[in-house]
Amino acid sequence: DAGVIQSPRHEVTEMGQEVTLRCKPISGHNSLFWYRQTMMRGLELLIYFNNNVPIDDSGMPEDRFSAKMPNASFSTLKIQPSEPRDSAVYFCASTLAGYYGYTFGSGTRLTVV
Amino acid sequence: AQKVTQAQTEISVVEKEDVTLDCVYETRDTTYYLFWYKQPPSGELVFLIRRNSFDEQNEISGRYSWNFQKSTSSFNFTITASQVVDSAVYFCALSPNTGNQFYFGTGTSLTVIP
Repeated sequence: DAGVIQSPRHEVTEMGQEVTLRCKPISGHNSLFWYRQTMMRGLELLIYFNNNVPIDDSGMPEDRFSAKMPNASFSTLKIQPSEPRDSAVYFCASTLAGYYGYTFGSGTRLTVV
Repeated sequence: AQKVTQAQTEISVVEKEDVTLDCVYETRDTTYYLFWYKQPPSGELVFLIRRNSFDEQNEISGRYSWNFQKSTSSFNFTITASQVVDSAVYFCALSPNTGNQFYFGTGTSLTVIP
C-alpha cells in the first residue's frame, strides 16, 4: 500500500486566494482526519470523517475552512479566502479504528504571503 | 476528559547518552490505547508503538524501550545510547476504546549532539 497520499507537498499562495489540499487515505480505512500543525498550537484536529460523513468539525477555525469527503478514497480541505495566519503544515491521517493508530500522510506545507 | 501531557518541551543530550521522554495521560476510560510517534526534521509523523491499557509489560525494540505504568498514568519512552538520527520531535498520544479520536501531547523536541 502506498500509504496516505497528500498533495501538494508545498503550496505558496497569495492572501485572498483559494487553496485546496487533497488527501487519499489508505484503502479500507474508514476514518479520515485533517490536522494542522504550527509552532504555536502544535497538532490541532480540524475535522474528521467516519465512513465519509463528517463527525466532528469543531476544530475548523472559521467558515473560511471547509472539508469534503465525496467518497472513501478522497478528501479535500479548502481554505477560501486564505490568510497569512493559515500558514502551517496540514496533515491528513487515516485509520481503520482509532486504537490501531493513525497513518499520516507526508503533509502539505502551506505558506500564505 | 482525555488529556496527554508531555512536560518536557525540549531536551538536548550528547550522543550515546540515554534519554527518557515523559508522557502522562488522563482518561476515565478503562480501555484505551497509547502511542508514540516520531517526527524527524523531514516532517512526517512516524508510528513507533501502540500499547493497550491491559498490557503493562514494558516493551523493548532495539535501543527503544517503553515503560507503561497505570498506577501513575505514565507511558515513558527511553532511548538508550542515543544517536544523532534520533533527533526529532516525539509525540505521545491517547486513543479511548470508543470512537476514533486521538489526543496528542504537545511533543518533546529531542536534539542529540554529536
